[in-house]
Order: sequence, then structure tokens, then C-alpha cells
Amino acid sequence: DTGVSQDPRHKITKRGQNVTFRCDPISEHNRLYWYRQTLGQGPEFLTYFQNEAQLEKSRLLSDRFSAERPKGSFSTLEIQRTEQGDSAMYLCASSRGQSNEQYFGPGTRLTVT
Amino acid sequence: QKEVEQNSGPLSVPEGAIASLNCTYSDRVSQSFFWYRQYSGKSPELIMSIYSNGDKEDGRFTAQLNKASQYVSLLIRDSQPSDSATYLCAVRRETSGSRLTFGEGTQLTVNP
Repeated sequence: DTGVSQDPRHKITKRGQNVTFRCDPISEHNRLYWYRQTLGQGPEFLTYFQNEAQLEKSRLLSDRFSAERPKGSFSTLEIQRTEQGDSAMYLCASSRGQSNEQYFGPGTRLTVT
Repeated sequence: QKEVEQNSGPLSVPEGAIASLNCTYSDRVSQSFFWYRQYSGKSPELIMSIYSNGDKEDGRFTAQLNKASQYVSLLIRDSQPSDSATYLCAVRRETSGSRLTFGEGTQLTVNP
């Protein structure tokens, strides 16, 4: 299996702009997760999909954040009206079936100036 | 109290020594436990998972789980400089779906 891929790897944007990140999970992994990680902290859960259904959302996911997985394959995470506090590494992970083992992609590092 | 706490680092051990990394969790209904390794500037890499009390060994790594004490640890035998990284403990609770809750990580340095 190829691993989880994310695009772009780095994104620099100005405050107030919208950004969209893409995640392609490991093939045949039906579960997909988004996490956010800031320096010196562990990843924090944002949201989770099983196939195309978004089953969980963290309270961290404000109204400015939206995630989709339209065909149960790749997923997108959009942040509208970015703020400096959104600067972080956005990590995508996937897992298969009932397995709880989540495999992470390389992440997208967002810098909001 | 944090849901997942790891021993404060940084931890420094000489090459060839045993590195011991510890993690405690607050919710007794936690049922799945994971150790991830994260090199600086990289994403977390799954190295061990453990679900039942006792020890689980994989090469130089041993995970130990004690649910009664709400404690999980990772031992790295014959530590190598390439083991220098931040180690993240993650817990999945039965009541929180599939999300993982992570500790802040322990930075390990193995000195040649």
C-alpha cells in the first residue's frame, strides 16, 4: 500500500483568506481522520469520516472549518477566513475496518500571516 | 487533569541503554493504546499498539499496559541514536468513538 498523502505540504496565506487541504487515505481504508498539531503539543482530533459519512466533529471545529469526503475516498478540509491562531500542522490519518490503528500522512503546515 | 499525561522530558540515555517512556490516562473506559514516534518536522509514525493488560514485544520495543493503574509504558532496548525523537502516547476511549487522544509527547535523545 502507498501511504496517506496530503496536499499541499506547506501553505502560507494571509489572514482572512480561505484555504483548502486535500487528503488521500491508504487505499481500502474506509476511515479517515483530521487532526491539528501545534508546536510542542500532541495532535488534537478535529473530525472523522467512515466512508462518506462524517461521524464525529470536535468542538475545536468552529464554523469556519468544514470537511468533506464526497465519494468515500479522498477528503478535503477547508478553513474560511483564516486567523493567525489557525497556524498549525494539519494531519490526516486513515484506518481500515474495525482496526483502531491510524496511519498518518505527512501533514500540511499552514502559516497564517 | 489532562486525559493523557506523559513523563516530562526531555529524556536522555546513552547508546545501548534501555529508554523507558511512561504514560498515564484518566478515563477508565479507555480500551486501546498506541505509541507513535515523531521525528522533528515529520508526522507521527505508529510503532506499537496494545489492547490488553501485560506486555507486548516487537523487536526492540516493548509496550506494557496496566489498566488497573491506568498506566501504559514503552521500553526501547539497545537504544540507538536513530531512536532520538518525540514519542507520543495515544488513547482511544470506548465512549469517544474512533478519535485518539494524545499526550504532549516525551522527547528522547540517545547519545552516541
